[in-house]
Amino acid sequence: GQQVMQIPQYQHVQEGEDFTTYCNSSTTLSNIQWYKQRPGGHPVFLIQLVKSGEVKKQKRLTFQFGEAKKNSSLHITATQTTDVGTYFCASNQAGTALIFGKGTTLSVSS
Amino acid sequence: SAVISQKPSRDICQRGTSLTIQCQVDSQVTMMFWYRQQPGQSLTLIATANQGSEATYESGFVIDKFPISRPNLTFSTLTVSNMSPEDSSIYLCSVAPGLNQPQHFGDGTRLSIL
Repeated sequence: GQQVMQIPQYQHVQEGEDFTTYCNSSTTLSNIQWYKQRPGGHPVFLIQLVKSGEVKKQKRLTFQFGEAKKNSSLHITATQTTDVGTYFCASNQAGTALIFGKGTTLSVSS
Repeated sequence: SAVISQKPSRDICQRGTSLTIQCQVDSQVTMMFWYRQQPGQSLTLIATANQGSEATYESGFVIDKFPISRPNLTFSTLTVSNMSPEDSSIYLCSVAPGLNQPQHFGDGTRLSIL
């Protein structure tokens, strides 16, 4: 079945620095979804990408889906302390459950 | 998106006992799923809750340990049976309103077994 590998596992940045997490698969993905989980919280849906080469932006967050639909990235510009949490990529086939990457835990010091 | 109510939000249980977790959605949804998130780990799919039929379990999870019910399109339960300390995790209900729709999660049940 589909598997998604995510790196890095942890990332610490100073407030104002940029942050990127990467998601890769050995097989072509139908879609990629990104979630954020704050400490003590549950995963919250951020975005879904379905098209080859798709790029979407949400304020300081930029999401990309690779041309081959085998990789994706989430980039945060000028991190803030409110960006702290674990970011997960996930993917599924139509009608099936999401399979999650291991996540990247972001910590930000001010 | 659908509003998902999961309860209990947390519990501390004795080993050997069982706990049933409920998931209620405010609208009919096509798909409901149960995940486990062990401390510091990612989410692992336990099973897909099928309305009106037996759940579909992932490798490593069995019906005797994690019986699931889904009597209608808005409600499901997950039971964690004969609990041991290794079952201490967060259990999450997740729903997708339809095909190709994003999944959304309940607040989770934080379970500790002594």
